[in-house]
Amino acid sequence: SQTIHQWPATLVQPVGSPLSLECTVEGTSNPNLYWYRQAAGRGLQLLFYSVGIGQISSEVPQNLSASRPQDRQFILSSKKLLLSDSGFYLCAWIAGPYGYTFGSGTRLTVV
Amino acid sequence: SQKIEQNSEALNIQEGKTATLTCNYTNYSPAYLQWYRQDPGRGPVFLLLIRENEKEKRKERLKVTFDTTLKQSLFHITASQPADSATYLCAFQGDNFNKFYFGSGTKLNVKP
Repeated sequence: SQTIHQWPATLVQPVGSPLSLECTVEGTSNPNLYWYRQAAGRGLQLLFYSVGIGQISSEVPQNLSASRPQDRQFILSSKKLLLSDSGFYLCAWIAGPYGYTFGSGTRLTVV
Repeated sequence: SQKIEQNSEALNIQEGKTATLTCNYTNYSPAYLQWYRQDPGRGPVFLLLIRENEKEKRKERLKVTFDTTLKQSLFHITASQPADSATYLCAFQGDNFNKFYFGSGTKLNVKP
């Protein structure tokens, strides 16, 4: 069966520090992978998606970047975090007509 | 650009009643529309998908309708239970099949 792993679960980082969040998928090949962010009490904002290795589409200009170095690995990064980067970050892959499968999320607090 | 609207106010209903949640959109009708459940601190869980040419889709106590004339989808939970309490999100396929956009969600509280 397909599973998606996302870590860490929580992260507290100072302003100006770098960020690296990792997501890996098991049990499928060549998945479409996504990073979403959810601010407190808000909906999910699509940040990046990838249809293959090295292929990244950015939805919103911002302080973040994404990379896909391997078929089943998707990384979200920042060189210098801002306070506004705080939120709940979710990795997901889409399973055709069955909708997204989301990871367990990373709660990022920038202080 | 596409705008997705869900009632930001929580819906409070009594156990056993039918809960009805609304998702409205502007502009074009998406080919696919999805509904998700999200519990606090967790990622959303996929519930149902309905296609543009389908008027209604059912799964156990869940029912989704899709009205392209009204630009609206309704999500029903019949015989609601306290365990159904959660935030429910709708999601639309974007202009690119690879992208889905989410509403802000409606919190459902089912009281025993």
